[in-house]
Amino acid sequence: DAGVTQSPTHLIKTRGQQVTLRCSPISGHKSVSWYQQVLGQGPQFIFQYYEKEERGRGNFPDRFSARQFPNYSSELNVNALLLGDSALYLCASSLYPGQGGVVSPLHFGNGTRLTVT
Amino acid sequence: KNEVEQSPQNLTAQEGEFITINCSYSVGISALHWLQQHPGGGIVSLFMLSSGKKKHGRLIATINIQEKHSSLHITASHPRDSAVYICAVRPGGNAGGTSYGKLTFGQGTILTVHP
Repeated sequence: DAGVTQSPTHLIKTRGQQVTLRCSPISGHKSVSWYQQVLGQGPQFIFQYYEKEERGRGNFPDRFSARQFPNYSSELNVNALLLGDSALYLCASSLYPGQGGVVSPLHFGNGTRLTVT
Repeated sequence: KNEVEQSPQNLTAQEGEFITINCSYSVGISALHWLQQHPGGGIVSLFMLSSGKKKHGRLIATINIQEKHSSLHITASHPRDSAVYICAVRPGGNAGGTSYGKLTFGQGTILTVHP
């Protein structure tokens, strides 16, 4: 089975532009989470989607948005890019969303490295 | 103070040494993950723990829920173990609202194993 796939792998954008990052979960996984990892730091939680609904949001501005499609793939959109948005954006999928003590292993993609100039 | 603290931040070892990386957290959790990140960014999930101890090959992970502490041990370390090791926690079972599904990460431990 294919793992979690993210596209594109690398992206260069200019300040003020908009970007869309894509994630395809492992087949059968209905939960997708997005994380931002700035160089030298641990990842920060951005969003979680489960069954096409937003189930969690981290401390990120409204410029960040996401959605999940009927096939459980997901897109992360960032508007009005700032230099500080330069980071590795990671997507992870799991079978269950992790609420109520029911947890399942996480599977990460290789990330999209976004550079904002 | 971060909710998840790892120590040490940097660790250098000689091939064959026994390695321990520690993780302390301050919130109630439903699970703790140990992750491995190689240069280039890809993250591999090593363990998911909610109690006790797990072993996979040369890797051992333990967790003490009462003390809010977990350790990752590598026996007979090898240069290919060189990577960043990250501890991440999921909030407890009744967490809801904005914390639903949130994973909080430590800052990572950079491990370098020399031949």
